[in-house]
Amino acid sequence: RKEVEQDPGPFNVPEGATVAFNCTYSNSASQSFFWYRQDCRKEPKLLMSVYSSGNEDGRFTAQLNRASQYISLLIRDSKLSDSATYLCVVNSAGGTSYGKLTFGQGTILTVHP
Amino acid sequence: DADVTQTPRNRITKTGKRIMLECSQTKGHDRMYWYRQDPGLGLRLIYYSFDVKDINKGEISDGYSVSRQAQAKFSLSLESAIPNQTALYFCATSDLGPQGGLYQETQYFGPGTRLLVL
Repeated sequence: RKEVEQDPGPFNVPEGATVAFNCTYSNSASQSFFWYRQDCRKEPKLLMSVYSSGNEDGRFTAQLNRASQYISLLIRDSKLSDSATYLCVVNSAGGTSYGKLTFGQGTILTVHP
Repeated sequence: DADVTQTPRNRITKTGKRIMLECSQTKGHDRMYWYRQDPGLGLRLIYYSFDVKDINKGEISDGYSVSRQAQAKFSLSLESAIPNQTALYFCATSDLGPQGGLYQETQYFGPGTRLLVL
């Protein structure tokens, strides 16, 4: 089983739609969770961290379910510019120690007019 | 100017050649990383370094070596390139800051180097 698994998609949605991505992780000791965004042929960039209580940034909402070991990303009112690959990222340790950042293979989102 | 730069951006080489990929950063971060990205496999860690004297293997270090010449520079070498090292290579740096009571590590990536080994 992969440490971090995502549905690769692709997800094709019209502008204005709401779309949700899920991600599961296998290491129950994981402490930190992130969503990164990667545009075609570009580098990944941090979209948002995921906190235990859930967090929202504009149209984006991230949730963490530790019991089921999954993370979700919800995008509301999709824009054409949201088209990208979304990477689920898990850090296996917290505190001041390095925890290996493990990347999912990414979920491709295409928003069409 | 970009905070994390990589050179070259594209490289075509032949099997058996030695090549070096360079990474420089102006973010002042101690931690630096090399990843490769292959379709359907996501990003995989090759090597990482926490400071100039620190080098650590990642999950796929075989066939690669690194050098941390200074805080700002981290180079990746392929001693004898082979076709299955054809990939997109990313350098990244990170800081480690407290957020919500936990130390959170945010990574900042360079623009990538596309490597083709014939």
